[in-house]
Amino acid sequence: QVQLVQSGAEVKKPGASVKVSCKASGYTFSIYAMHWVRQAPGQRLEWMGWINAGNSNTKYSQKFQGRVTITRDTSASTAYMYLSSLRSEDTAVYYCARDKGGLMDVWGKGTTVTVSS
Amino acid sequence: SYELTQPPSVSVSPGQTASITCSGDKLGDKYACWYQQKPGQSPVLVIYQDNKRPSGIPERFSGSNSGNTATLTISGTQAMDEAYYYCQAWDSSTGVVFGGGTKLTVL
Repeated sequence: QVQLVQSGAEVKKPGASVKVSCKASGYTFSIYAMHWVRQAPGQRLEWMGWINAGNSNTKYSQKFQGRVTITRDTSASTAYMYLSSLRSEDTAVYYCARDKGGLMDVWGKGTTVTVSS
Repeated sequence: SYELTQPPSVSVSPGQTASITCSGDKLGDKYACWYQQKPGQSPVLVIYQDNKRPSGIPERFSGSNSGNTATLTISGTQAMDEAYYYCQAWDSSTGVVFGGGTKLTVL
């Protein structure tokens, strides 16, 4: 079955960076794009960006432009989200989700990133 | 940038029909989808392309989209449907846009 397995929880200090991975299985990784979405405690879902797993083209939300980088490794069927210059407001659960025509049909379980001094 | 607006909360009695709206400029010209999210869990797609149900989603979930408003309707609401619901659309300039989420309470 289609599965997205994300890396484990992270605790970072303000100003640091974090890299979250998302390993896909059960489908041909390069055919689908992958989104990254985050959710701060008690807050709404917030789209960060996506990557075309076939050609590695990316599109980022304006809010995160310049701070986020999404990459992929097709040989490992894995997508990555790198967020730099972390601040306390970046404390959130970060999800990867498979794209299906602009919507997200399969989600990972999420990775908790805590930013604290 | 494009925005979607949802009511913060909706309440419904068990067995009744719940309707959750999502408003955005000319939303009817775009495809809307809906996600259900229960506490501590990842979102689950319940409606896509305005009114289609993914495999495994009960028939009591339906959707519509016209003008500036998309609507998620849950007929014969059950206690298990209590959750947050988020609408989502794709905007060519903004990218993926989520609504603010609606907490559905079944009481």
